[in-house]
Amino acid sequence: GAGVSQSPSNKVTEKGKDVELRCDPISGHTALYWYRQRLGQGLEFLIYFQGNSAPDKSGLPSDRFSAERTGESVSTLTIQRTQQEDSAVYLCASSFSGTSLNEQFFGPGTRLTVL
Amino acid sequence: GNSVTQMEGPVTLSEEAFLTINCTYTATGYPSLFWYVQYPGEGLQLLLKATKADDKGSNKGFEATYRKETTSFHLEKGSVQVSDSAVYFCALSGARKAAGNKLTFGGGTRVLVKP
Repeated sequence: GAGVSQSPSNKVTEKGKDVELRCDPISGHTALYWYRQRLGQGLEFLIYFQGNSAPDKSGLPSDRFSAERTGESVSTLTIQRTQQEDSAVYLCASSFSGTSLNEQFFGPGTRLTVL
Repeated sequence: GNSVTQMEGPVTLSEEAFLTINCTYTATGYPSLFWYVQYPGEGLQLLLKATKADDKGSNKGFEATYRKETTSFHLEKGSVQVSDSAVYFCALSGARKAAGNKLTFGGGTRVLVKP
């Protein structure tokens, strides 16, 4: 595809349920990032992948959050036992490599609502 | 840690007015600075960037100059159009030799341009 895609675009779940969010980066991009944007706030960094490894997980808010990447392509962000404060738009971005000279291209996001 | 502070919106302007959105940052080292824009119903996209002190980024009539002495990266446009209505985010990256290029964002400024 031409850009970063994410699915689902919207997800409504009940408190306590697990959810999986998917990101398909631009083909050939080795770096992949997850961010989240809570209502009325800026974006918060969650995790960074270089290839299939995650050298920076410092933004994951708790051990309920995990992410993996396979085949240097698709990434999934999993939130276990969701809480209402997890409600946010989750954004994925990819770049050619993980240096500051490479623009990050963002997907349209997944809007997660935890009831 | 790194942080970005930008003026809160919404900012409401008339067409052809001058726009300034203030952005200041806190970081150790020499970060790269960015402005991202999110048009209604669209994903986040890079507007302009500057990678070293005194650099001026420019795109679509917008400009911002990297001022290390004042730790600022204010966004300006001399004559706005209705199509500039969007949310603007200031961001930084690469302040430390950490793996990857994770972005630290400000809270966003909503701009509404009226005809």
